[in-house]
Amino acid sequence: NAGVTQTPKFQVLKTGQSMTLQCAQDMNHEYMSWYRQDPGMGLRLIHYSVGAGITDQGEVPNGYNVSRSTTEDFPLRLLSAAPSQTSVYFCATAGRFGTEAFFGQGTRLTVV
Amino acid sequence: AQSVTQLGSHVSVSEGALVLLRCNYSSSVPPYLFWYVQYPNQGLQLLLKYTSAATLVKGINGFEAEFKKSETSFHLTKPSAHMSDAAEYFCAVSEGQGAQKLVFGQGTRLTINP
Repeated sequence: NAGVTQTPKFQVLKTGQSMTLQCAQDMNHEYMSWYRQDPGMGLRLIHYSVGAGITDQGEVPNGYNVSRSTTEDFPLRLLSAAPSQTSVYFCATAGRFGTEAFFGQGTRLTVV
Repeated sequence: AQSVTQLGSHVSVSEGALVLLRCNYSSSVPPYLFWYVQYPNQGLQLLLKYTSAATLVKGINGFEAEFKKSETSFHLTKPSAHMSDAAEYFCAVSEGQGAQKLVFGQGTRLTINP
């Protein structure tokens, strides 16, 4: 089992470009979440989903869109990238009755 | 809303010395508390978790943490540091039931001196 797979691992964007960060899981977990990691700030929740068709905002949702059409996938979309979105992005999953989150390896995004 | 404070963004200890990383959460008791470790250029790995079953929690690699409600703390300890423990450590709490919404502390970078 691959667990939680994020693609790409690295990406450089120009300001104003759009892109989608992919997250796929084979753990059959109901819950999926996106976090961003910035130096000195830990990880902050962007968006999360408790099941297919259900998403909600986290602490820092502005500038990001999500949708969840299947249990396995939870893509994160940047519609118009800004330098402030330069960060490392992590996808995480958790079971409905689970007590821990499982993280992907991260996507390092640079916006110039 | 929950908040988590990790005291000390950098901690340096000698190999073989005690490791103590501090974590305090906001006043309401969260369902779960966690310590995660991140090695360079990698994702987060769970070290240990508190789920109200026992206040002293043992994790991987010789780490343990004690939940103290009166002090709103969940400090991480290891009796004897090893060079391989050098990494960044994050304390986190769950917000609501389940682990889909975690609130993280700022992180503590642990350096081990030979």
